[in-house]
Amino acid sequence: GAGVSQSPRYKVAKRGQDVALRCDPISGHVSLFWYQQALGQGPEFLTYFQNEAQLDKSGLPSDRFFAERPEGSVSTLKIQRTQQEDSAVYLCASSLGAGGGEQFFGPGTRLTVL
Amino acid sequence: KQEVTQIPAALSVPEGENLVLNCSFTDSAIYNLQWFRQDPGKGLTSLLLIQSSQREQTSGRLNASLDKSSGRSTLYIAASQPGDSATYLCAVRDGGSQGNLIFGKGTKLSVKP
Repeated sequence: GAGVSQSPRYKVAKRGQDVALRCDPISGHVSLFWYQQALGQGPEFLTYFQNEAQLDKSGLPSDRFFAERPEGSVSTLKIQRTQQEDSAVYLCASSLGAGGGEQFFGPGTRLTVL
Repeated sequence: KQEVTQIPAALSVPEGENLVLNCSFTDSAIYNLQWFRQDPGKGLTSLLLIQSSQREQTSGRLNASLDKSSGRSTLYIAASQPGDSATYLCAVRDGGSQGNLIFGKGTKLSVKP
């Protein structure tokens, strides 16, 4: 596709439910990043993939958060046993090379936990 | 720990004015700096990327400068238009990171017709 796509765009979950958020990066992009953006704040880093390898997961807030990119393209961010504080916009970004370079963002998934 | 600050938090200007948005960062050992715009309910659109070895980048009515030693960047918007209304975010990539960006909280710009 022409840009980074994410689905679903909006997700409402009841507290305790599991959710899965999908990211389709720009075709051929090696690097993929997940960020979390709370209302009125800048995005905060969650995790980084270089192809299928998860090289940095230092930003994941708890062990309820899990991300994968098994074939080096599409990535899924999974949140288990959702809590109200997980409510945020989850943004995915990709870049062509390994690590550095311009990052291109998707439209985000707005997660609301009731 | 790298921290990015953007001033002002909000700015309202009449159409046609030239304006400057400010970004500062605490650790000068950065790899690059990127400016984004974010429209309400949307993702981030990349505006300009400045490598650490560069002093400025230009795209149309936008000009971004970088003074790495003083930990500052500015985004200059010439002849502002109502369509420029958005939140502008500054982000840096630390030299020692795997590539993740550290963001400021943004400047919300409103351009009045």
